[in-house]
Amino acid sequence: DGGITQSPKYLFRKEGQNVTLSCEQNLNHDAMYWYRQDPGQGLRLIYYSQIVNDFQKGDIAEGYSVSREKKESFPLTVTSAQKNPTAFYLCASRTSGSNKEQFFGPGTRLTVL
Amino acid sequence: QKEVEQDPGPLSVPEGAIVSLNCTYSNSAFQYFMWYRQYSRKGPELLMYTYSSGNKEDGRFTAQVDKSSKYISLFIRDSQPSDSATYLCAMRSSGNTPLVFGKGTRLSVIA
Repeated sequence: DGGITQSPKYLFRKEGQNVTLSCEQNLNHDAMYWYRQDPGQGLRLIYYSQIVNDFQKGDIAEGYSVSREKKESFPLTVTSAQKNPTAFYLCASRTSGSNKEQFFGPGTRLTVL
Repeated sequence: QKEVEQDPGPLSVPEGAIVSLNCTYSNSAFQYFMWYRQYSRKGPELLMYTYSSGNKEDGRFTAQVDKSSKYISLFIRDSQPSDSATYLCAMRSSGNTPLVFGKGTRLSVIA
C-alpha cells in the first residue's frame, strides 16, 4: 500500500519540550515538504528537501529543524524556540520534474499544553 | 499584495448548484496550477492539475486557467453534500520550486 504516512495523528507535549514528527513515504519521491496549517492561514512552508542530505528553509523555518538522511524519511523537530507550536502539520512529497504532482500525508495535530 | 489570493468564504450552496471557486495571482512565472480538496482534520487531496492556460474537465469538476488575467477557477457541477470541504488552489513556476498556496475556500453544500 503506497503513500505518505505521518505519525502520530495527535500529539500532546508540554511547553518547553522538543518534539519530532514523523513523515515516511514509499513512493520513491525525491522531494519532501513540511507545512504548517493554522485556521485562516492556509498552508505555510516550513522546510523542504529535494534530495537526500540537503534541505532548504521555507517561509517559517524559525523554531523548527529537519533532517533527510534517507530518501523515504523527512522528520520534523519542533523545538522549544517555536513560540506558537500548536498547529496541524502536513508532510508532502513529489517526484522531481516540473510537471509532477505533489501529494500530502494525513497530517499530525500537535497540541502544546 | 500576496502572491496568491483566494476568498476564504465560507460559501454555502444548495445541493445540485454549480459552484465557482477562484484564485488570483501576481507572479507571471507560474505555470502549474492545482486544486486540492481538504476535509476537516485530513490531509489535502489533489483534485485537478493544469499546465499553463486552458480548461481541464474530470467528471463534475472543471479547472480553468487564464494566464493573461492571472486567474484560475474550479467549477463543480451538480454539487453534492460530500463536496463540503475546504478547496485550496496552489501554483508554481518551472523546475522544482515549491508550491504557493491560497488560503483556501470553505464550501458547504446543503442537502
